[in-house]
Amino acid sequence: GAGVSQSPRYKVAKRGQDVALRCDPISGHVSLFWYQQALGQGPEFLTYFQNEAQLDKSGLPSDRFFAERPEGSVSTLKIQRTQQEDSAVYLCASSADGNTEAFFGQGTRLTVV
Amino acid sequence: AQSVTQPDIHITVSEGASLELRCNYSYGATPYLFWYVQSPGQGLQLLLKYFSGDTLVQGIKGFEAEFKRSQSSFNLRKPSVHWSDAAEYFCALGQDSNYQLIWGAGTKLIIKP
Repeated sequence: GAGVSQSPRYKVAKRGQDVALRCDPISGHVSLFWYQQALGQGPEFLTYFQNEAQLDKSGLPSDRFFAERPEGSVSTLKIQRTQQEDSAVYLCASSADGNTEAFFGQGTRLTVV
Repeated sequence: AQSVTQPDIHITVSEGASLELRCNYSYGATPYLFWYVQSPGQGLQLLLKYFSGDTLVQGIKGFEAEFKRSQSSFNLRKPSVHWSDAAEYFCALGQDSNYQLIWGAGTKLIIKP
């Protein structure tokens, strides 16, 4: 596609519900990043993939958060048993390799009620 | 500890006036520095980046930034703002390229007609 696509754009989840957020990176991009952006804050790094390999997941806030990129293209961020503090915009970015410009999707706004 | 500080939460500027957005960082070595813009409903877009070399960096949309090691600053400037520049601006720091960027909290730019 022309850019990084994220779906859904908005998600409302009841506390305790599991959610899955999807990221379609730019075709051919090797590197993929997930960030969490709380209201009024800058993004915070969650995890990084190079192709299908998850090279760093140090930013995932708890073991309820899980990300995968099984075929080295589309990635899914899954949050189990959502909590109110998980409410944020989840941003995905991709780059041709780790050293070139990262392009961001519009994000998924998750609201946990 | 590595950090990025954007001291101004909001800045209001008249259309046609000059602009300077402040960014200070804390990092033990020469950092990779970025400025991104986030318009409502849009993904983050890279304005410019500094990796090494010339400390005055030119970016898109008429923006420039100057890396000042002695002041640990990377301020963003534009000589004459347009109403379309109204957005939120984020400064970010990386230890290498895009990976694990550390972001400031952002500065919201408001343009007065």
